[in-house]
This record gives sequence, structure tokens and C-alpha cells, in this order.
Amino acid sequence: DTGVSQNPRHKITKRGQNVTFRCDPISEHNRLYWYRQTLGQGPEFLTYFQNEAQLEKSRLLSDRFSAERPKGSFSTLEIQRTEQGDSAMYLCASRSSGANTGELFFGEGSRLTVL
Amino acid sequence: DAKTTQPTSMDCAEGRAANLPCNHSTISGNEYVYWYRQIHSQGPQYIIHGLKNNETNEMASLIITEDRKSSTLILPHATLRDTAVYYCIVRFTNFGNEKLTFGTGTRLTIIP
Repeated sequence: DTGVSQNPRHKITKRGQNVTFRCDPISEHNRLYWYRQTLGQGPEFLTYFQNEAQLEKSRLLSDRFSAERPKGSFSTLEIQRTEQGDSAMYLCASRSSGANTGELFFGEGSRLTVL
Repeated sequence: DAKTTQPTSMDCAEGRAANLPCNHSTISGNEYVYWYRQIHSQGPQYIIHGLKNNETNEMASLIITEDRKSSTLILPHATLRDTAVYYCIVRFTNFGNEKLTFGTGTRLTIIP
């Protein structure tokens, strides 16, 4: 257990529905990251926050995706009008900007299946 | 970030040293080499990183060639729990560049 918590762990939804995932990072970590991982591939960067500011977004993050970190603590990733191609594991990670290793602490992920 | 090349899969006998190679021939002078691993159904886990010198911690050793174009992760006494996908990643500096670019990694299987 890294201390990064993600909920729900599994979500099955029908195409066209909206889904939201939540990430609770390690409490003292001011940087929070979202990644997506499809079967057989490595994780792909989606976006990251420093405190409540979203500082970088990947081109993978289409208009249907929105991420927030309103108080600089937990974060949510919402996917609107889900498509079958959105089926993947969504991983959250956190770290402290003051840490000298650059190590990211990942949660166990939220697995999305779109039927 | 520089691209990396790793074998798709490797086997290692339990109790033996597992040596996982990584090529990063286009690495630049200020890019670090990071290793993460991902055990089935879990998030990636940091193992070790280095710039030029060899590094060792409680999990593994990292050997970087003098020209920095390749590196080897060594798990000195592999156990069944070391079965995982191992990712070699290069990135600029410890800070600033926040995007870790994962490849497809090496699937290491530890055989009893």
C-alpha cells in the first residue's frame, strides 16, 4: 500500500454514460498525476496538478475528459459520454515537489469497462 | 525524453540474479534513468534511478555503462514476488519534466 487511494477500483458502464474516478494522494504530496493504461501497454500520461493548478494536459485528454483538484488535496477524473475505447485502467500517482528522487507513488488504479 | 528498448520477456530461476537490460542510445547528458515495476493488477512501483554512477538500494542495483547508452537493472536474489513487468524510463532531470514516458517494458517471470 503506497498510501495513494483510488475509488472505485472497478467500474462497468454502458457506452454514453458519464463516470467519475476519485484519487486521494499521500497527504503531504502537492503533485498529483493521472495516467491511463490499456491492456499490454505501459501507462500513458494524461495530466498533472501542482496543488489545485492543472499544469499539463496530454493530447490524450479529449474534451470528454476533465480532471479537477479543487482544494489541492483529492482529485477527480470525469469521463463524459464514455466510449468503448475508454476502457482502461486509470492510475493516479502523487509526489512532493520537494522530494529529491522524483519518485512517483502510484495507487492501484480504477479499472473502467465500457460495454 | 529519449526512447528505450527492452526485451519483451525474460525468465529467471528463483534465487538467482535477474539482469534486465535497457538500451537508451539517444539519452542526453542530463537525462536520468529510472526503473519502475508493475506487479499484476497493481500500480507501478519505483525501484531505483541514476544519472552516471552505479546505484544500489534495498531493492536492486543499477549499472549504467560509461557512455550511458545502456543500463542493467539487477535483482540480486530473485523471488517469486519479483514476477512483474519492469519499465526502463529516461527523463530530463529530477524535477521540472513531470511526464514519465513508459514503454511496454520487460515481463520478468521468476521460475520456482
